[in-house]
This record gives sequence, C-alpha cells and structure tokens, in this order.
Amino acid sequence: ETGVTQTPRHLVMGMTNKKSLKCEQHLGHNAMYWYKQSAKKPLELMFVYNFKEQTENNSVPSRFSPECPNSSHLFLHLHTLQPEDSALYLCASSQGLAGAGANVLTFGAGSRLTVL
Amino acid sequence: SQQGEEDPQALSIQEGENATMNCSYKTSINNLQWYRQNSGRGLVHLILIRSNEREKHSGRLRVTLDTSKKSSSLLITASRAADTASYFCATASNTNAGKSTFGDGTTLTVKP
Repeated sequence: ETGVTQTPRHLVMGMTNKKSLKCEQHLGHNAMYWYKQSAKKPLELMFVYNFKEQTENNSVPSRFSPECPNSSHLFLHLHTLQPEDSALYLCASSQGLAGAGANVLTFGAGSRLTVL
Repeated sequence: SQQGEEDPQALSIQEGENATMNCSYKTSINNLQWYRQNSGRGLVHLILIRSNEREKHSGRLRVTLDTSKKSSSLLITASRAADTASYFCATASNTNAGKSTFGDGTTLTVKP
C-alpha cells in the first residue's frame, strides 16, 4: 500500500460505454497525475494537476476527461474509447511538482483497462 | 527519442550476481530518479540523485550520475529473486516541473 489507491483495478468496457477511474491519496500531496502505460511503450504522461488546477494536458484525446475536485482525489472519465486505449492507467501524486526540488512520484497500483 | 532511455532492455542473471542498468538522457536535469515496477503494478520510487551528486547508495542499490555524458547507472548488488522487476529511470527539471519523462525500462530477471 503506497498511500495512493486506484479503483477499479480492472475494467472491461465496450466502445460506447462511459466509465470512470478513481484515484485517492492520503499523503497530503498537492500534485496528482495520470499516466498511461501500454505494452512495449514508455509511460506516457496524460494530465497533471497542482493544487486542483490542471497544469498539463499532454495532447490527450477528448474521450479522456480528467476531474480533480480536491487535492486528494483525481478521476479519469472515459467515453467512447477505442481498443487501442486498452492499457494500464497509473495515478501518481507528489508533494510538489515532480522535478522541482526533490519531489518524487508515488504511484497507485494502476487500473487495467480493456476496451472491447 | 525519449528522454531517459535505459539499456539493456532485458537482463537475466543468477541470484547473488550484480545487475547493472544504464540510463541516458538528452536535456539538462534537476535530478534523476530510478523506479521499480513489478509486473502489472504501479511504480515504486527507489532512489533520487541530484544533478550535483555523482554517486548515491541505498542498501544494495548504488546509483551514479555523469552529467557530462548525460548518463546514469543503477547497480543492484547481491541480487535476489525478489529483485525481478522492470526498472525505469525518470528525469526531471525545474523548467519542466511535473513532466517527469520515463524511458522504456530494463526488465531484470533474477534466477534462483
């Protein structure tokens, strides 16, 4: 248990479904992130939130919609996904923005998404 | 190509042997971090080395950083079967805070 909890751990959805991934951290961190990890590809940064404000959208398609209601919770709303969106979606948090000072990322266990 | 590229892509050793993984990067960094990932799980932070440091130790881990060559190495000594995992380096800079860039990783297999 890292202090970053992701639910659900596994999700199977059709291309027309709407679902959401949830991430929660109780570490008192101010920054939260969504990463996508596909087979044989490096981790791809999707979104960054710092003090609830989105600071980075890494050219992510609009079928992925993030929501950060407070510094402890982060959601990724999914709508009309494609099979190529199947991947492990990782949430992470850090005290301040990773890279500044000695801030490091604490990851959740991930949500394995399969789009049929 | 990606900032933070690890090599080798895969490494297989016997228990008790040392494992060395390398990471190269392209731009100036504030620090470099190594993470470990067990299959299908999240990444776990192992060690951070700042740009003004050359070497750092943590238990059986030894990390070096050569900013002139833009490279880092992770050495795991006296490896154990439980060290079997993928290892990633991530680079970060103050100008791109929040945008840590990961490489493809090195998959380490330690045979008992």
